[in-house]
Amino acid sequence: DIQMTQSPSSLSASVGDRVTITCRASQNIATHLNWYQLKPGQAPKLLIYVASSLQSGVPSRFSGTGSGTDFTLTISSLQPEDIATYYCQQSHSFPPYTFGQGTKLEIK
Amino acid sequence: EVQLVESGGNLVQPGGSLRLSCAASGFMFNMYAMHWVRQAPGRGLEYVSGISSNGGTTYYADSVKGRFTVSRDFYNNTLYLQMGFLRTEDMGVYYCAREIRVGGFCFDYWGQGILVSVSS
Repeated sequence: DIQMTQSPSSLSASVGDRVTITCRASQNIATHLNWYQLKPGQAPKLLIYVASSLQSGVPSRFSGTGSGTDFTLTISSLQPEDIATYYCQQSHSFPPYTFGQGTKLEIK
Repeated sequence: EVQLVESGGNLVQPGGSLRLSCAASGFMFNMYAMHWVRQAPGRGLEYVSGISSNGGTTYYADSVKGRFTVSRDFYNNTLYLQMGFLRTEDMGVYYCAREIRVGGFCFDYWGQGILVSVSS
């Protein structure tokens, strides 16, 4: 199975900060990388697919880059409603569609 | 509006069985592959199982292979996960998700999740 490693595992930032989360795949996955946002008690939400495409309805402050093995999710200006845990997911090799271990984002 | 609503979660003893359901509405259920993903307490998301759009192909994580069975009912637009020989490590919130293909594969809609507890 392809292993996905996210960093950091947790992050504290201030409103308005630029936030970057990284995800590394254990092998080349081209751009087959998705990002999800998970808030307690809510359904997970797709943010970014195929590494850099913004899902409909997702604010433009979210962006994704990368290809091969290294990927990033960036929030250009952190808002209070962005407090959540973020997960990357590879869709290059299935089964399974493996997830990263998550990055918990908190407000400083 | 696309909706996925899970049900069937409960407290069950180790070694017991449980069937989860995911009622789908607002889209052509027979056109999409569907999946189950879980989150154990204090842990991250873990892929569990999936089924192709026509129900002909199923997929399982190694951790549940041989114990869980995924199926779908096209008449009732419902996805199922039959869980057997449950272990404490199977405990957590279970989500159903719809798969779409947009250059790659991703899960564009998810349910709110249902809690499964495994304890004696």
